[in-house]
Amino acid sequence: GAVVSQHPSRVICKSGTSVKIECRSLDFQATTMFWYRQFPKKSLMLMATSNEGSKATYEQGVEKDKFLINHASLTLSTLTVTSAHPEDSSFYICSARASGGGTGELFFGEGSRLTVL
Amino acid sequence: DAKTTQPPSMDCAEGRAANLPCNHSTISGNEYVYWYRQIHSQGPQYIIHGLKNNETNEMASLIITEDRKSSTLILPHATLRDTAVYYCIVRVALSDYGQNFVFGPGTRLSVLP
Repeated sequence: GAVVSQHPSRVICKSGTSVKIECRSLDFQATTMFWYRQFPKKSLMLMATSNEGSKATYEQGVEKDKFLINHASLTLSTLTVTSAHPEDSSFYICSARASGGGTGELFFGEGSRLTVL
Repeated sequence: DAKTTQPPSMDCAEGRAANLPCNHSTISGNEYVYWYRQIHSQGPQYIIHGLKNNETNEMASLIITEDRKSSTLILPHATLRDTAVYYCIVRVALSDYGQNFVFGPGTRLSVLP
């Protein structure tokens, strides 16, 4: 199947700093990518939909100024957690589906575990 | 909210078939049933999907009832590596925008030696 890669897989940062997570579709182009967050023993919760060349669409309750999303190309979306705090510690997962066809399945990255001290 | 309901957990003996049920009684005519699984601390992995016909691939089989209100994912010979949380999701297949994949709590499958 198609490959979606995230980087970094793990990051530890100090409170107040910003962290950028990259999501790349390695062998296909993705008009749309999705960013999810997952807390321990919980299911994935959609944070935002990232659209290439336009602004991201955020889910209710997700602060767009805190979670900056940039989808500058058909193979790369980035999520920047600004001024991170301990409560932002979570497992962040991106996903993408191929543009212009396919049968609709989403392919997920390996996830990025953020720990804010 | 997720449009599916699944049992929270199941056990299966290694080497036996694992049958994971999913109820989706409000499924629309143009919505597919997708199955994903998530092994601990990894991103979800696509398994299989279908509309109304039964489907089979190298990983699993998907049996969808005639009224499409429920389905069963079958892992024919479960191994210890199949221990994971399994998610059943219904979604329109070919929409680029709008309806996304909504994850419910899933079924935690434990394959026992």
